[in-house]
Amino acid sequence: LAKTTQPISMDSYEGQEVNITCSHNNIATNDYITWYQQFPSQGPRFIIQGYKTKVTNEVASLFIPADRKSSTLSLPRVSLSDTAVYYCLVGEKRSQGNLIFGKGTKLSVKP
Amino acid sequence: DSGVTQTPKHLITATGQRVTLRCSPRSGDLSVYWYQQSLDQGLQFLIQYYNGEERAKGNILERFSAQQFPDLHSELNLSSLELGDSALYFCASSVDRTNTEAFFGQGTRLTVV
Repeated sequence: LAKTTQPISMDSYEGQEVNITCSHNNIATNDYITWYQQFPSQGPRFIIQGYKTKVTNEVASLFIPADRKSSTLSLPRVSLSDTAVYYCLVGEKRSQGNLIFGKGTKLSVKP
Repeated sequence: DSGVTQTPKHLITATGQRVTLRCSPRSGDLSVYWYQQSLDQGLQFLIQYYNGEERAKGNILERFSAQQFPDLHSELNLSSLELGDSALYFCASSVDRTNTEAFFGQGTRLTVV
């Protein structure tokens, strides 16, 4: 499984766009990039998954450059309720995969 | 609501005891994962089952064991409990054994006193 590196924490204000970058220099050809969100004392929640270029859903966008050695989760116009820990995972979509979570990025949104 | 049900929600027990945590996956999901999350710690992967068979093992202690039953629910057994086993234990399920979207339950908070 590719090792991922994310900032430990980030601060933002309501209404701003937040970009969280994840580095995965040794990503393999068959690896996908997946992001989860976790609120305190709750289970993580799937946000988005992608392989290359850009993926967008109703919650977020995921930008993946051509070399795929990093990815950026973009949260548009964050609110206080977006305060959470965000995890970046990299692994084969078709593996018999254990989902391995790193330490994640603690996002704090202030009023 | 993720569709994954974990029981009990809270459990308080003494050191040396044994407990069983239960997980009912989403309807149709064949894969079940177990995680441990201690205070201010990340999610530690313990074990994965797929359609009744063990598929992957993480940092699961020998005092811990799990199984997935024919009806696909899963149980995590924790024995000879120590104070350090106090944590949130999460179960997740996914439709297959791959790294597709996984759905997490609300967790069982275990307190060992």
